[in-house]
Amino acid sequence: DAGVTQSPTHLIKTRGQQVTLRCSPKSGHDTVSWYQQALGQGPQFIFQYYEEEERQRGNFPDRFSGHQFPNYSSELNVNALWLGDSALYLCASSLWGVDEQYFGPGTRLTVT
Amino acid sequence: QKEVEQNSGPLSVPEGAIASLNCTYSDRVSQSFFWYRQYSGKSPELIMSIYSNGDKEDGRFTAQLNKASQYVSLLIRDSQPSDSATYLCAVGPGKLIFGQGTELSVKP
Repeated sequence: DAGVTQSPTHLIKTRGQQVTLRCSPKSGHDTVSWYQQALGQGPQFIFQYYEEEERQRGNFPDRFSGHQFPNYSSELNVNALWLGDSALYLCASSLWGVDEQYFGPGTRLTVT
Repeated sequence: QKEVEQNSGPLSVPEGAIASLNCTYSDRVSQSFFWYRQYSGKSPELIMSIYSNGDKEDGRFTAQLNKASQYVSLLIRDSQPSDSATYLCAVGPGKLIFGQGTELSVKP
């Protein structure tokens, strides 16, 4: 049973650039949530996708956008990168209506 | 603004002791409560979920929920050095609101 997968593992970008992170949910799951975790902090909710629509959004600017595909996989896009966007980006998968969320290994983004 | 508060620690316990981790939350309508374990450099791993008042036991782990006091805790019995990690409390439903985590160190 495949767990949640994310790519890439690590990424280094320059200020002002754009980045795309990818996530495939656990087999049988249909909902994907994205979180940002700064060093020493708990994860912060970015947004959640179900049926290819953004269902909930956290307190993040419009530079953060996403997409969900018919196979339930998802992308997180961040435009105009700031130094402060450096963090671990986590994808969590779940079944719609069930609160338990399972995290992928994360993508470590460094903005220089 | 919904908040989840945890003592950042570090909490240090000897091997074989009981580790007690605590969490309070601000939103009274919260319905689901989770404990995640995060090893350094890794992603959070779900170890316990609890939805109703009382205790829930799973092996060496016991989660306790008191909705009237807006308080949830995690007890780890017979603590092992491999339990050394950061423990994150999270509150739902839907989007999870996380505390900042409590660092646990189990000394041999």
